[in-house]
Parts: sequence; C-alpha cells; structure tokens
Amino acid sequence: EDQVTQSPEALRLQEGESSSLNCSYTVSGLRGLFWYRQDPGKGPEFLFTLYSAGEEKEKERLKATLTKKESFLHITAPKPEDSATYLCAVQASNDYKLSFGAGTTVTVRA
Amino acid sequence: DADVTQTPRNRITKTGKRIMLECSQTKGHDRMYWYRQDPGLGLRLIYYSFDVKDINKGEISDGYSVSRQAQAKFSLSLESAIPNQTALYFCATSNPNQPQHFGDGTRLSIL
Repeated sequence: EDQVTQSPEALRLQEGESSSLNCSYTVSGLRGLFWYRQDPGKGPEFLFTLYSAGEEKEKERLKATLTKKESFLHITAPKPEDSATYLCAVQASNDYKLSFGAGTTVTVRA
Repeated sequence: DADVTQTPRNRITKTGKRIMLECSQTKGHDRMYWYRQDPGLGLRLIYYSFDVKDINKGEISDGYSVSRQAQAKFSLSLESAIPNQTALYFCATSNPNQPQHFGDGTRLSIL
C-alpha cells in the first residue's frame, strides 16, 4: 500500500527565514509526486509534479526536489502570503489514484 | 467563475438524512473524483469516474453513492448520514496524466 508521510505537521517561520518541508513516500513504482498548496476554506491548488529522482521544479519562492524515497519543498525567504498548508501526494505507476499526506501547515510571521 | 464548483459550500444536517453534494466543472476534463478530508488524515478518495459510463469505488466508498449526470457533473450522495461522515468534501477533475484540480469544498456537519 502506498504511504505518504509529511513532516513537520506545523512550521512557524519569521518572514525571510528559509526552511524545508519533507515528504517521505513508499510506492510500488512512482508515476509522479505532486505538491499542492491549500489555503483555509479553499481546495488544494496544484503547484508541481515531479517524475524522477533528481528532478527539481521552482515557482517564485518555492523549490521542489525529489529523491527515490522523499521530496522536499524548500521555501526561500518566505513572506506572510506563503502561509498555507502544503500537501504532498504520490501516484503509483500502475494506478490511477493519488495517495495524500496529511500536510504541513506553514505560518509566516511578518 | 470557478472552474470546479461545489454546492452547497456548507451544510448542517441530522443523522439519518439523505444528503447530496454536487460538483460541476467548466474545464472540459473527462475524469472526476470525490474526496473527503479529515484533520490529520489527509485527503481520501471516495469515488471516481473516468467518463459518464464509468464509475469506480475509491478507498472509502461505504455509505456513499455517486452519479455522473454528464461529463461536467458528478454528484455524491450520503443515503443515511451518520456523524462520522462529518468532514470536508472535495471534488476534483483531471485529464489523463494531468494534475487534478480541486473545487473549494463542502463543509458537512452531521448532528
């Protein structure tokens, strides 16, 4: 069974204080690893898809990386508007569905 | 206008009532999904549909049913609601090998 574990559960940062979120996974052949951002009262918003170990993707202050066992979401010099819950999900190569982690809630203080 | 629209956004009801949650999309995607989100558990798949004639159970389908009325519409029903079905419910859509896109959810409380 596919498993996704995200850590930490919550992260409080000062504005400008860079940090990383971890997503550890076990899957029988990875088709893709997905990062989403979720704001309170909203649905998850797609950020990135990573397909193979060594791949990296960037968007503004966010950078996602992938190894064979985990993915990191690096937040560089965060701003208060980066406050959100970040969700990680994996899709197995022989499956249709996404398996989600419980998320990391990031709070950035000005 | 939102690409994936869920109605209602909030619903409070009583144990034993029949509830229907609706989802419509303007993205033209073939695939539609229903998830529930509970604190600390992440999103879990209830049902999914790859086209109008294709309906499949997800990992937690017991107590739920769905109907795909058209390519753009996918509804979720709770035939006889129970308190442990209190959760956030999300509809998502996608095309094959593309990321899923989510609606803003329905907050359902069952008393």
